[in-house]
Amino acid sequence: AQSVTQLGSHVSVSEGALVLLRCNYSSSVPPYLFWYVQYPNQGLQLLLKYTSAATLVKGINGFEAEFKKSETSFHLTKPSAHMSDAAEYFCAVSVGGRRGGTASKLTFGTGTRLQVTL
Amino acid sequence: EAGVAQSPRYKIIEKRQSVAFWCNPISGHATLYWYQQILGQGPKLLIQFQNNGVVDDSQLPKDRFSAERLKGVDSTLKIQPAKLEDSAVYLCASSRTSGGVNTGELFFGEGSRLTVL
Repeated sequence: AQSVTQLGSHVSVSEGALVLLRCNYSSSVPPYLFWYVQYPNQGLQLLLKYTSAATLVKGINGFEAEFKKSETSFHLTKPSAHMSDAAEYFCAVSVGGRRGGTASKLTFGTGTRLQVTL
Repeated sequence: EAGVAQSPRYKIIEKRQSVAFWCNPISGHATLYWYQQILGQGPKLLIQFQNNGVVDDSQLPKDRFSAERLKGVDSTLKIQPAKLEDSAVYLCASSRTSGGVNTGELFFGEGSRLTVL
């Protein structure tokens, strides 16, 4: 079974500062990894995904994440935080589905709430 | 393309009452998921459908929760009778399953927020 652990339930940064949200995964097979963002009273929106191609993945809104197999990590970063980045961020893992077959489920972490201050 | 549609957005009921949530996935998405998100926690999978068949319902409390996807398109999640601990956001999601390997990327609706008093 696969799982993810998000370190830090709350992170606060100043506007313009580096954003670093941590995620470590556990999987017995090569995983697919995702970061989703959730704004208040909304559903989850995909930020970026790692699907075994490039280890450095770029997503929307200037976010990126690096897959590090040796550290079993997939940390999310953004060089300069903006007030609009304040939201809940979820790391998730999937082991994928068989070609043409059943899709695999996503297993989510507990989330990290990002606060951006002036 | 239209996103995942869910209704109602908000529902308040007394404990022991029943409630139903509806979801219409993105057109052509064969796989549909219901997740439960309790305040302060990550989403937890309740049930996964592939077309109109159940793939995984291992975490669905079957004594009170039921779900169906009769024609392989839209789906209904029902809770009867509701308990206080069922207060949560119920998220519906869908994904493509055709051709190449499915990576598990999900597209989510805005959710249905349930408050049980």
